[in-house]
Formats: sequence, C-alpha cells, structure tokens
Amino acid sequence: EVQLVESGGDLVQPGGSLRLSCAASGSTFSSYWMHWVRQAPGKGLVWVSYINSDERSTNYADSVKGRFTISRDNAKNTVYLQMNSLRAEDTAVYYCATGSGSYYDSWGQGTQVSVSS
Amino acid sequence: QSALTQPRSVSGSPGQSVTISCTGTSSDIGGYIYVSWYQQYPGKAPKLMIYDVSKRPSGVPDRFSGSKSGNTASLTISGLQAEDDADYYCCSYAGSYRYVFGTGTKVTVL
Repeated sequence: EVQLVESGGDLVQPGGSLRLSCAASGSTFSSYWMHWVRQAPGKGLVWVSYINSDERSTNYADSVKGRFTISRDNAKNTVYLQMNSLRAEDTAVYYCATGSGSYYDSWGQGTQVSVSS
Repeated sequence: QSALTQPRSVSGSPGQSVTISCTGTSSDIGGYIYVSWYQQYPGKAPKLMIYDVSKRPSGVPDRFSGSKSGNTASLTISGLQAEDDADYYCCSYAGSYRYVFGTGTKVTVL
C-alpha cells in the first residue's frame, strides 16, 4: 500500500478557486492511477476524477467537468485537483485514493473544502 | 452517472448474517466484473473490503463475502460482530474511466 496525505482544503467563497494536493509515499507512485473522491456532510462517497500514470488519460464526474482539473507531478509524488468556479454543493471532504484500475486500497485522511459566503 | 442504489440501513444481532444489495444498470454493475465494497467509520477514510465482485484483500475477515447477479451486487456479512457496525458503500466501474459509488448502507449491530 501507498501512504497518501491530502492538503489544501479551506473555506472559499462561491465562484472561488482552490487547489488540493495529495502527496504519496513510495518509489512507485509514477505507476499508480490516482483518483479523487468526495463526501459531502452526512452524505455518501462520490467519485470525482481520475488520472492515469503518465497523465495522458483523465476523466471527471459530470458535476465537475469543465470546472475541475486533475494533474500530477511524478517527480514530486503528488497529484493535484484544481477546483474553479466553486459552488456550495462542492462542499465536502475530498479524499485521494489509489489501487488497481478497478478498486481503491489506499486512501488519504481527507481534506475539508467548504464553499460559503 | 446516477449513484448505485443501496438500502439505507440493515441490522442484525451478533452472530447473524446480513446482506446489502447494490443495484445498478447494464452500463456499470451489469457490464463489468469490477465491483468493490468499502467500510467506513464516522470521520474516517473508507477501507476496501471486497474487490472484483468477490475477492477479499489480505487482512479482511472471511466473514465478508461478495457476489453479483445481473445488475445487482451483494455484500454478505456472516457472523455479525460489534465492530461491523459501520457504513458500507459499493462501487462499480462504469466504462470510459468513470466510476460510480452506491448510496451507502448503515449496518447496525443490535
């Protein structure tokens, strides 16, 4: 398993931007597909975005497409989630996660994003 | 990208068995063998319990088992124990590098 640590969560106004980071331990980070999953207060898990190992393939949930951008820096063992045009409904704990292509066996502790005026 | 449908809650006494259903469509559960299940305690990150429909990661008790029929996957917890009291989520690959989680089920050990 790889150890994941998220950071960058904050309170931001509607329409604002935020960049989340997820730092991974281990020398094989560059081979991992990475995902972001979020959980609104009292709600369930929702898949947000994915990026493959060489950054050539990404995808997004419809609810964030066009507003969020996932990227990675394999030299820094870090994956990012740039979030623009934030809305109140984006308020959630954001987890980064990885595993095989079909499941997640490593999760971070989560970082809180709150969107409110 | 509608969430997979799970019962809001299930309950059982210690030692009993409970089964959680997870219903999707032919575009997700019905179309792939990539169904996974996660256990989550309040304020904690999810933990993988089952992957690829019925495989158990190392360290997960064999009381946990998974299956799939058509567009519905199931997680069964046999010999329910107090520490199984938690939220459980299913997840399926939905094609084109998209994934969908279930609505979540609260398991209560009476």
